[in-house]
Amino acid sequence: QQKVQQSPESLIVPEGGMASLNCTSSDRNVDYFWWYRQHSGKSPKMLMSIFSNGEKEEGRFTVHLNKASLHTSLHIRDSQPSDSALYLCAAPSNTDKVVFGTGTRLQVSP
Amino acid sequence: DMKVTQMPRYLIKRMGENVLLECGQDMSHETMYWYRQDPGLGLQLIYISYDVDSNSEGDIPKGYRVSRKKREHFSLILDSAKTNQTSVYFCAAPGDEQYFGPGTRLTVL
Repeated sequence: QQKVQQSPESLIVPEGGMASLNCTSSDRNVDYFWWYRQHSGKSPKMLMSIFSNGEKEEGRFTVHLNKASLHTSLHIRDSQPSDSALYLCAAPSNTDKVVFGTGTRLQVSP
Repeated sequence: DMKVTQMPRYLIKRMGENVLLECGQDMSHETMYWYRQDPGLGLQLIYISYDVDSNSEGDIPKGYRVSRKKREHFSLILDSAKTNQTSVYFCAAPGDEQYFGPGTRLTVL
């Protein structure tokens, strides 16, 4: 069964700092990922997706993908207290399924 | 964007009672999902529905069943709820991403 592993489990960064989150799939057929953000008490919402090797930037958020190593990372620069949330990495599986990691809980301290 | 709705948002039941969770979507998408989310375990797929009366077990189907009689509606049923089914349940439908409903927080006492 495919697994999506995320690290670290939790992360505290100061306001204005850089947060770096990692994700790896165990399925060699995976070639794209999604990143979701879930604020406390809310449902997950997609933050970014990445389908090509390399880097994708949207504002303060940058996602990297290395298909050969089945690894993606999310970097948040100039972190804000509103970025405090659970970040979920997800990868496609067969038969229209999506496999989610257990998440990284980010806390940005003012 | 697709809108996914869930009812009820909060529910408290006693062990052994039956539970019905409802989900709706406004885009007539064929595929819909039910997940549960527990601390440290992430989102676990309970059931997936490919269309009306075309449902498939996910990774943790035991203790659950589903019903899909209309494309817009997907129900999750717990017959004789157990305390270990206390969780937050999310319904989802795919598009460019997975669109999640707001969730149902179920407590089984």
